[in-house]
Amino acid sequence: EVKLVESGGGLVQPGRSLKLSCAASGFSFNDYWTGWVRQAPGKGLEWIGEINQDSSSINYTPSLKDKFTISRDSAQKTLYLQMSKLGSEDTAIYYCATISGSSGFAYWGQGTLVTVSS
Amino acid sequence: DIVLTQSPALAVSLGQRATISCRASQSVSISTYNLMYWYQQKPGQQPKLLIYRASNLASGIPARFTGSGSGTDFILTINPVQADDIATYYCQQNRESPWTFGGGTKLELK
Repeated sequence: EVKLVESGGGLVQPGRSLKLSCAASGFSFNDYWTGWVRQAPGKGLEWIGEINQDSSSINYTPSLKDKFTISRDSAQKTLYLQMSKLGSEDTAIYYCATISGSSGFAYWGQGTLVTVSS
Repeated sequence: DIVLTQSPALAVSLGQRATISCRASQSVSISTYNLMYWYQQKPGQQPKLLIYRASNLASGIPARFTGSGSGTDFILTINPVQADDIATYYCQQNRESPWTFGGGTKLELK
């Protein structure tokens, strides 16, 4: 069974940093691009960025490029999202997902909630 | 960025046909490939892939879901609508980075 399990969310103060993790199992993690999508409360989906199989290519949505950093550990089958300078606008559920041009965002985790508030 | 426009809501009766549209601000097709995808999201759940490359049914998705379209105009059809289909539906393009999603169409019961 394909599983993506996010962790690391929670309450964080404005201006602080937070690192999310996404543990993969049940499929060949190292064969896939993977990435992050977020959803603010009651809002739609926003693509954050993606990373290829060997971490040689990383792409971000322009508005978040200077705040967020995506990385992966192939040995641990884990995807990461390092977030810095967090503001209230970053309050959202953060999903990890596999990505491909042929099948889009095929597999999703259940999401982890990040709340930015003092 | 490519902007995808969806109607916010659609009311439908059980057993009837639902047609959800998505219009792109520019073509999302390359040659014969229509790089449009559809997702279903139920409250409190993660999105689920329904349709890839405009018209291909994802694994495990019932045949009552179909996708069509090319260029800038795409449609997701659910026929017949069942109670389990009440959800929000998003289109998404992979034609040009940044990948973008439509605002979502909430399918409601009439």
